[in-house]
Amino acid sequence: KQEVTQIPAALSVPEGENLVLNCSFTDSAIYNLQWFRQDPGKGLTSLLLIQSSQREQTSGRLNASLDKSSGRSTLYIAASQPGDSATYLCAVSSWGKLQFGAGTQVVVTP
Amino acid sequence: GAVVSQHPSWVICKSGTSVKIECRSLDFQATTMFWYRQFPKQSLMLMATSNEGSKATYEQGVEKDKFLINHASLTLSTLTVTSAHPEDSSFYICSASPGASGANVLTFGAGSRLTVL
Repeated sequence: KQEVTQIPAALSVPEGENLVLNCSFTDSAIYNLQWFRQDPGKGLTSLLLIQSSQREQTSGRLNASLDKSSGRSTLYIAASQPGDSATYLCAVSSWGKLQFGAGTQVVVTP
Repeated sequence: GAVVSQHPSWVICKSGTSVKIECRSLDFQATTMFWYRQFPKQSLMLMATSNEGSKATYEQGVEKDKFLINHASLTLSTLTVTSAHPEDSSFYICSASPGASGANVLTFGAGSRLTVL
């Protein structure tokens, strides 16, 4: 059974600092890995999708890496802004299912 | 881009009543739709996978007679919480995929918050 873990559970940084969010998974037989953003009481917004054959994806200030062999993905957010405050979820697609981590709650203080 | 609409966005009901939540894909045909529930400060837990025209596949521990899923068309799936109780209060989110489960990027609805009094 695929298990997805996100560390840390919560993170608070001053504006301008870079954010590093970690995601680990137990079964390396994945189809893809996605990072999502969730604002309080809202649905999910997809940020980045990394296919199993890829090592990283970039979009603006966001960069996500994937190391399938070690079962890890890292989301980097450069030059954080207060608007980046949200919960970030990673999800792994394997065996036809999407398994979510519990998320990292990020607060960026002005 | 692909848009998934959920309705209602929030609902309050009395214990013992049934509540229906709709999930619509607005600009694509969704062969597969997924229903999740999320308790406060916890992650999304997959409840069931519904495929158009066939019975939904429920995850272990999810009561299929309590959480009725209907996926009668390629653009609409509904989740009915029957005889709702306070412990069913949760945030329910649907997602849709135009292809086989896990094979495409999923689009998520905005969620429906259910409060059972």
